[in-house]
Amino acid sequence: EAGVTQSPTHLIKTRGQQATLRCSPISGHTSVYWYQQALGLGLQFLLWYDEGEERNRGNFPPRFSGRQFPNYSSELNVNALELEDSALYLCASANQPGLAFPGELFFGEGSRLTVL
Amino acid sequence: AQSVTQPDIHITVSEGASLELRCNYSYGATPYLFWYVQSPGQGLQLLLKYFSGDTLVQGIKGFEAEFKRSQSSFNLRKPSVHWSDAAEYFCAVGHGGNKLVFGAGTILRVKS
Repeated sequence: EAGVTQSPTHLIKTRGQQATLRCSPISGHTSVYWYQQALGLGLQFLLWYDEGEERNRGNFPPRFSGRQFPNYSSELNVNALELEDSALYLCASANQPGLAFPGELFFGEGSRLTVL
Repeated sequence: AQSVTQPDIHITVSEGASLELRCNYSYGATPYLFWYVQSPGQGLQLLLKYFSGDTLVQGIKGFEAEFKRSQSSFNLRKPSVHWSDAAEYFCAVGHGGNKLVFGAGTILRVKS
């Protein structure tokens, strides 16, 4: 069974540009989480989607946005890129019937975004 | 707000020696607790988790962790470290808000 897949693996952008990152969850998982892992800052929660709806959002500015498609895949968009947006962006999926706490998140290998 | 503290940024142990990685959390209710491992260039893999019941939890790769409510701790242990255990380890707290809050991580180096 395929795990969580993310694309692209690496992405280089310049300040002010937009970046789009993609995530395909494990088959059967309806929830997708996005985390930012910046150097020295650990993993910071960005967004949680379930059944196409945004369910929770971390403490990030509105230029971080995303969506979840009917097939449960997800996209993270970062507008007006800043240098400090350089980080590894990790996607995780889970199966959460009734939005219950999932117990385990399954992570992809991440997309490394570099902003120059 | 809930928080997780991993006081050790780096730890170096000799191969075959025992290991203990520290984790302290701040959370009002009984937390869900996790340890994840991240090898270079890879995503996070779950080592073990605690929800309730026996406070000593067994995980994969020979790891275990003990929940101590009185100390708000969930330390990770392994009796004999292998070179392949070199990685970054993250403690995390989950709660009803359906997100995991991670510690800053501890980088484990194993010397031969």
